[in-house]
Amino acid sequence: AQSVSQHNHHVILSEAASLELGCNYSYGGTVNLFWYVQYPGQHLQLLLKYFSGDPLVKGIKGFEAEFIKSKFSFNLRKPSVQWSDTAEYFCAVNTPNTGGFKTIFGAGTRLFVKA
Amino acid sequence: DTEVTQTPKHLVMGMTNKKSLKCEQHMGHRAMYWYKQKAKKPPELMFVYSYEKLSINESVPSRFSPECPNSSLLNLHLHALQPEDSALYLCASGPAVKNTGELFFGEGSRLTVL
Repeated sequence: AQSVSQHNHHVILSEAASLELGCNYSYGGTVNLFWYVQYPGQHLQLLLKYFSGDPLVKGIKGFEAEFIKSKFSFNLRKPSVQWSDTAEYFCAVNTPNTGGFKTIFGAGTRLFVKA
Repeated sequence: DTEVTQTPKHLVMGMTNKKSLKCEQHMGHRAMYWYKQKAKKPPELMFVYSYEKLSINESVPSRFSPECPNSSLLNLHLHALQPEDSALYLCASGPAVKNTGELFFGEGSRLTVL
């Protein structure tokens, strides 16, 4: 069965620091990869996605993620975080061969950015 | 603002009650989902409807009964729940054809079972 691992459960950074959140998945076939963000009191929303093509994908609010197939990883990065990036971040994996209906989420990383 | 709306936002019910959670989307999606999210845990898939037909049931207990009356509406009927069923219930929608798995979530219904 596929699974998703997020390495950091809690991250605390100061504003302007760089961010990298790790995500690894276990599945040998084709995958679609996502990062979702949940701001305090708000709904889960898509941050960025990877289906195919350029393994470096850019999302909203200056976030980017790199798909490294050989490492089964899809790490999220941002060069300079802001206080407003305080949120919970979920990595998610979807396998198209199940019709695309099963998306598995990682445990989440809670990011707190100090002003 | 999300285009997937869920009602009620909060629900408190006893173990003998019958209640329903409702979800509506106006994105033209033909796949709709129920997820359950416990505190400090990731969302866990419960049910998937595709073209108003139940396509996935992740071995959810029968005290949860989903219903998809039309392509825009999704209900979750609750009966004889247990306190451990207290959680945030998330509805999501997405495309059913050429489905990449991208999900559009509502804000959730926070359920407390006493």
